[in-house]
Amino acid sequence: KQEVTQIPAALSVPEGENLVLNCSFTDSAIYNLQWFRQDPGKGLTSLLLIQSSQREQTSGRLNASLDKSSGRSTLYIAASQPGDSATYLCAVTPPAGTASKLTFGTGTRLQVTL
Amino acid sequence: DTGVSQNPRHKITKRGQNVTFRCDPISEHNRLYWYRQTLGQGPEFLTYFQNEAQLEKSRLLSDRFSAERPKGSFSTLEIQRTEQGDSAMYLCASSSQPADTQYFGPGTRLTVL
Repeated sequence: KQEVTQIPAALSVPEGENLVLNCSFTDSAIYNLQWFRQDPGKGLTSLLLIQSSQREQTSGRLNASLDKSSGRSTLYIAASQPGDSATYLCAVTPPAGTASKLTFGTGTRLQVTL
Repeated sequence: DTGVSQNPRHKITKRGQNVTFRCDPISEHNRLYWYRQTLGQGPEFLTYFQNEAQLEKSRLLSDRFSAERPKGSFSTLEIQRTEQGDSAMYLCASSSQPADTQYFGPGTRLTVL
């Protein structure tokens, strides 16, 4: 059974700092990995999707990497802003040909302070 | 706006009552998913539709839960004889082949008193 772990569970950083969020998964047989953002009481917003054949994806100040063989992904946020405060979730999908259900980690709650 | 929509956004009910939630996916998406999220946890998969066919159900989906997607468009999730443990955020997502990026709705927050 796939298990996804995110470290740290919570993080507080001053504005402008670069930061890294970590995600690990136990079964390396994945189709892709997604990073989401969730604001309190709201739904999920997809940030980045990395296919299993890819090593990284970038969008603006966000960069996500994937090391499938070691079961790890990182989300790098450059020059953090108070508006980045949210919970960040990573999720993996099983191999192609099976149901594309996402298995999520428990998230990292990020607070960016002024 | 052509995003995923869910109704109602909030539902408060008494234990033992039945509730029904609705999800309208992005119109061209043929895959639809239901997830449940409790406080401090990541979402957990409940069930998945491809067009109108329900292809997978989680063991979390007891026989009090039923989901439908008539005509492969909107979907409903019904919970019968609600229990306090059903209190959670119910999230719907949709995707299209082959990209499989899942787009989530705002969720329905259920509180069972």
